Amino acid sequence: DVLMTQSPLYLPVILGQPASISCRSTRGLVFSDGGTYLSWFHQRPGHSPRRLIYEVSKRDSGVPDRFSGSGSGSDFTLQISRVEAEDVGVYYCMQGTHWPYTFGPGTTVDIK
Amino acid sequence: EVQLVVSGGGLVQPGGSLRLSCVASGFSFSRFWMSWARQAPGKGLECVADIKEDGSQTYYVDSVKGRFTISRDNGKNSLYLQMNSLRVEDTAIYYCARDGRIDWWGQGTLVTVSS
Repeated sequence: DVLMTQSPLYLPVILGQPASISCRSTRGLVFSDGGTYLSWFHQRPGHSPRRLIYEVSKRDSGVPDRFSGSGSGSDFTLQISRVEAEDVGVYYCMQGTHWPYTFGPGTTVDIK
Repeated sequence: EVQLVVSGGGLVQPGGSLRLSCVASGFSFSRFWMSWARQAPGKGLECVADIKEDGSQTYYVDSVKGRFTISRDNGKNSLYLQMNSLRVEDTAIYYCARDGRIDWWGQGTLVTVSS
């Protein structure tokens, strides 16, 4: 199985400041159709996850433009340009290229 | 709005069975792959099973192969997960999700396997 790692696992942030989460995979994530299926999800305590970013850098409908995704191959990043209070929670990356699709361990974002 | 409403969770003894159901609304169910994913208490996320739009292809994570069966009824906009030979380590919140690569999560249902 493809192992997904994230760093840091805990990220204390200051409101209004930027934040960045790294995600790495043990295999490249380019699929046979040329797409790179790396997604980012946000989960608040007691809630279901919500997808923010798909195919590395495409933002889902309704996701604020302060969220952006980048990367290629096996190295990816989620950036929040200016953290807001509602951004706290756990962020997961997920690869959808090699079955079984696998998630990173999660990065907990909290307000400093 | 997309809605995925799950039912069927509960407490079951090791070796027992449960069947989860998910009713979808707000989108054309028959045009999407569908998934079951789970999250053990306080832990991360795991994709459990995927099923193609017409049900002709299914995929399972190794830990549930031979024990779990994913199925769907497009006429009823419904997705199912039959779970047999349940183990303590299957204890988790189970989520119904749209698309094999998951673009929308339903609410979860807690499955507790314990004696």
